[in-house]
Amino acid sequence: SQELEQSPQSLIVQEGKNLTINCTSSKTLYGLYWYKQKYGEGLIFLMMLQKGGEEKSHEKITAKLDEKKQQSSLHITASQPSHAGIYLCGAGLVKDSGGYQKVTFGTGTKLQVIP
Amino acid sequence: DVKVTQSSRYLVKRTGEKVFLECVQDMDHENMFWYRQDPGLGLRLIYFSYDVKMKEKGDIPEGYSVSREKKERFSLILESASTNQTSMYLCASSGRFRTSFNTGELFFGEGSRLTVL
Repeated sequence: SQELEQSPQSLIVQEGKNLTINCTSSKTLYGLYWYKQKYGEGLIFLMMLQKGGEEKSHEKITAKLDEKKQQSSLHITASQPSHAGIYLCGAGLVKDSGGYQKVTFGTGTKLQVIP
Repeated sequence: DVKVTQSSRYLVKRTGEKVFLECVQDMDHENMFWYRQDPGLGLRLIYFSYDVKMKEKGDIPEGYSVSREKKERFSLILESASTNQTSMYLCASSGRFRTSFNTGELFFGEGSRLTVL
């Protein structure tokens, strides 16, 4: 079983619509990463959240880590065809003062944006 | 720019063959990771290493081994390839995770697509 659960698994939205992808863990997350992958291409780093309640934005994409650091949401405003791809959340689940961490990923959310 | 280079974008091997996947990073990163990516399963961690000669099992280490003799190089070994190991393999590296300066971002290679017949 995956330690990180993503929902939904897939999403089809009309261009211009807003959408939200969720990432949930039963464990405390030490560093929450969001990546995007276009079909057949490598992973693109979007942002990383570390502190409970932290929120970051990158162009029209906003991500937030909840206070308990067990859930993150990624929100896209006014979606465009260029937003299409697979969104992956990843997290460090072992904290060590020396910076050693095991980084695992969720199952991914496949996003299609219809023009 | 950080560069993570994986040898061989595409490989085709036969069942039972020994397979080596090589990964080299040029940013003096301490942490290196091997993942496999399969449709509907996301990225699954096979092994990771936080220092030279150090290795830790990830979530799916069975059938795999790794080697990290030098800081910049992390190799994934399939001792006896099987058809269920047909997959996209991704290597990543990161510096030490800290709350400031270094965000611990993982930098990924372009992937090695392995087909085992």
